[in-house]
Amino acid sequence: KAGVTQTPRYLIKTRGQQVTLSCSPISGHRSVSWYQQTPGQGLQFLFEYFSETQRNKGNFPGRFSGRQFSNSRSEMNVSTLELGDSALYLCASSYDRDKPSTDTQYFGPGTRLTVL
Amino acid sequence: QKEVEQDPGPLSVPEGAIVSLNCTYSNSAFQYFMWYRQYSRKGPELLMYTYSSGNKEDGRFTAQVDKSSKYISLFIRDSQPSDSATYLCAMKDFNKFYFGSGTKLNVKP
Repeated sequence: KAGVTQTPRYLIKTRGQQVTLSCSPISGHRSVSWYQQTPGQGLQFLFEYFSETQRNKGNFPGRFSGRQFSNSRSEMNVSTLELGDSALYLCASSYDRDKPSTDTQYFGPGTRLTVL
Repeated sequence: QKEVEQDPGPLSVPEGAIVSLNCTYSNSAFQYFMWYRQYSRKGPELLMYTYSSGNKEDGRFTAQVDKSSKYISLFIRDSQPSDSATYLCAMKDFNKFYFGSGTKLNVKP
């Protein structure tokens, strides 16, 4: 079974621009979560989508948004980029959060975003 | 206070040593406990998953959970240079996942 895939793997943008990152979950997984990882803050939860609906949201500004499509693929958008948005953005998928035995998250390789 | 605390290290050990990695937490609602391994420039990889107090063993890895003390550990026996990575603990209540900041481990040949 193919793992979680994320595109692009690397991205360089300038301040003020916007960016869209894509995540394809493991086949059959319906939940997709997004995380921001930085050396200083570690892994921080952005949001989770399940069946095209946002189920959970972390403490990030509204510049960070996401969506999920009917095939469970998810996109994350960051508008008006700031220098502090430079980070590794990780996507994680799980089958179903409501079933404890199947809700373990599996991570993709991440998209490394650099904002200049 | 963070909900999950993890010593960032780095932890440097000789090959063959027993490694002990630890996390403490404050939220008694946490029900599920995980350990992830993350190599440089890669996404975290799930190593162990448990939902009860006690020990769970998988090869050279043993995960230990003490809910009464709100303390979890990962033991690595006969450590290898290929174990050099950052290890993240993770916990889950009924709603969300919470991650430790990660401990960087270096196993010297």
